[in-house]
Amino acid sequence: SQQGEEDPQALSIQEGENATMNCSYKTSINNLQWYRQNSGRGLVHLILIRSNEREKHSGRLRVTLDTSKKSSSLLITASRAADTASYFCATHRGNQFYFGTGTSLTVIP
Amino acid sequence: EAQVTQNPRYLITVTGKKLTVTCSQNMNHEYMSWYRQDPGLGLRQIYYSMNVEVTDKGDVPEGYKVSRKEKRNFPLILESPSPNQTSLYFCASSLRALYNEQFFGPGTRLTVL
Repeated sequence: SQQGEEDPQALSIQEGENATMNCSYKTSINNLQWYRQNSGRGLVHLILIRSNEREKHSGRLRVTLDTSKKSSSLLITASRAADTASYFCATHRGNQFYFGTGTSLTVIP
Repeated sequence: EAQVTQNPRYLITVTGKKLTVTCSQNMNHEYMSWYRQDPGLGLRQIYYSMNVEVTDKGDVPEGYKVSRKEKRNFPLILESPSPNQTSLYFCASSLRALYNEQFFGPGTRLTVL
């Protein structure tokens, strides 16, 4: 399987703290995307980083990509209770997308 | 409102009874895709379509069919559903495959008895 893997599987933090989740993948990619899913609902796109980029920011989100290590990280700064959700990385290779198994983030008010 | 719609949202059926899950997008997107989501396995791509009349297998196509006769619609067909197809299904679309975010539908929860 070419699926990615997120680490940790579950993360629980206090409101205001930063949350970091990691994604590792197995093959070369065109780009990597991060998505968020609230319980049982459709995924929402957060950020896309191309294979020739190393870091990208969007509001409270910071994504890094290390293609030599085949890994990416998503940092959410100053977390809020509303950030409670599952977060998935998705790698894009050829015309296909490969999603990881997700990190479940709980932000405690 | 730009959106991807799926119907039905919930379906309970029996083994062997053919069913179709519809997917429609109103954003004139070229790329459409079906995923299934199972606990511990994340999302896996079933089929995708680069454009009208162009479809291809994803990672887990067995037991499924798709068609893309119009740009906006991409139905998922289960000719003879089996219990191992019980899952949460998502349709998604993007402008093109490369360098574009995917927009997801709300999901269809399918139970095959």
